[in-house]
Amino acid sequence: KAGVTQTPRYLIKTRGQQVTLSCSPISGHRSVSWYQQTPGQGLQFLFEYFSETQRNKGNFPGRFSGRQFSNSRSEMNVSTLELGDSALYLCASSETTGITKMNTEAFFGQGTRLTVV
Amino acid sequence: AQSVTQLDSQVPVFEEAPVELRCNYSSSVSVYLFWYVQYPNQGLQLLLKYLSGSTLVKGINGFEAEFNKSQTSFHLRKPSVHISDTAEYFCAVSLMIYNQGGKLIFGQGTELSVKP
Repeated sequence: KAGVTQTPRYLIKTRGQQVTLSCSPISGHRSVSWYQQTPGQGLQFLFEYFSETQRNKGNFPGRFSGRQFSNSRSEMNVSTLELGDSALYLCASSETTGITKMNTEAFFGQGTRLTVV
Repeated sequence: AQSVTQLDSQVPVFEEAPVELRCNYSSSVSVYLFWYVQYPNQGLQLLLKYLSGSTLVKGINGFEAEFNKSQTSFHLRKPSVHISDTAEYFCAVSLMIYNQGGKLIFGQGTELSVKP
């Protein structure tokens, strides 16, 4: 079974631009979560999608958005990039969501490293 | 609010020595606890998890962790480390949000450095 695939692996963007990151979950997994990892803030939850619906959202500005397609693939978009958005963005897939998700394993992709200059 | 505290940001240790990476959590409800490992330029890989039952949990690569409810701790241990264990380790707790979805709350990470 293929793992979680994130593309691209590396990105360099200029302040003010926008960026779209992609995540393909493990086959059969319907929940996709996004996390931002920075040296200062550590790993922080961005949002979760399940069956094309956003289930919950972390404490990030509206510049961060996402969506999920019918095949469970998810995209994350960041508009009007700021230097502070430079980070490793990780996607995690799970079989389910809701209360049954709490005790199931989340499988992580290798991440997309975004550098904003 | 739930939180996770990893008490050591860096742990240097010699090869074949034992190691313990400490993790404390705060939660007023039942918890599900996880340890993940991150190698350089990689994503996170699950080492082990505590859901219920036996408080001693065995994971991959010879790691184990003990859930201690009274001390709200979930320390990770390995009796003899290898150079290849050099990585960053994250303790996490699973949080349900208003019965919809869920998220992992991570500690700040512990950088394990194994020296020859």
